Amino acid sequence: ILNVEQSPQSLHVQEGDSTNFTCSFPSSNFYALHWYRWETAKSPEALFVMTLNGDEKKKGRISATLNTKEGYSYLYIKGSQPEDSATYLCAFSQAGTALIFGKGTTLSVSS
Amino acid sequence: EAGVAQSPRYKIIEKRQSVAFWCNPISGHATLYWYQQILGQGPKLLIQFQNNGVVDDSQLPKDRFSAERLKGVDSTLKIQPAKLEDSAVYLCASSSGYHQFFGPGTRLTVL
Repeated sequence: ILNVEQSPQSLHVQEGDSTNFTCSFPSSNFYALHWYRWETAKSPEALFVMTLNGDEKKKGRISATLNTKEGYSYLYIKGSQPEDSATYLCAFSQAGTALIFGKGTTLSVSS
Repeated sequence: EAGVAQSPRYKIIEKRQSVAFWCNPISGHATLYWYQQILGQGPKLLIQFQNNGVVDDSQLPKDRFSAERLKGVDSTLKIQPAKLEDSAVYLCASSSGYHQFFGPGTRLTVL
């Protein structure tokens, strides 16, 4: 059974703090690694799709790295803002398959 | 470009009742997915369609859940009869290449 692990489960930081989350996934038959941000009552929003070992992606204050050989990805948020409060989901896929999600990391940012 | 549409957004039913959810994917997306997200868990694939054919329904509880995708566009997911453990958010997604786009989900509460 393929499993995706995310840590921490939840996180509370102050505005301006930088933070990072971890996603662990099976390293065999890797196809793509996805990060989503999911705010309550909204659609999960795609942040990044990464496909190559060593990939690094950046979108504003958020960045992500990928290591397919050891099966992990990091998501970094620099200078957290209250609007960053959400659940961050990591999902892994093999070729032609649907996404396998972790349980998510819930981030709460206080002003 | 319009996103993935789902309705209803919220539904409350009693156990043993029936319920149906509707999804309209992004125009031109051949692949459509239904996921179930139970509180505290990551989204779990229920069924994947390619055009109007089923690719993967291995995790669909077929004694009570059914899904169809007529003409390879809209899809409906039905639960009959519902159980308490079916309380969850039901997400529909469609994909183009690596990218998978989600609707806002239907939050189902079974009393």
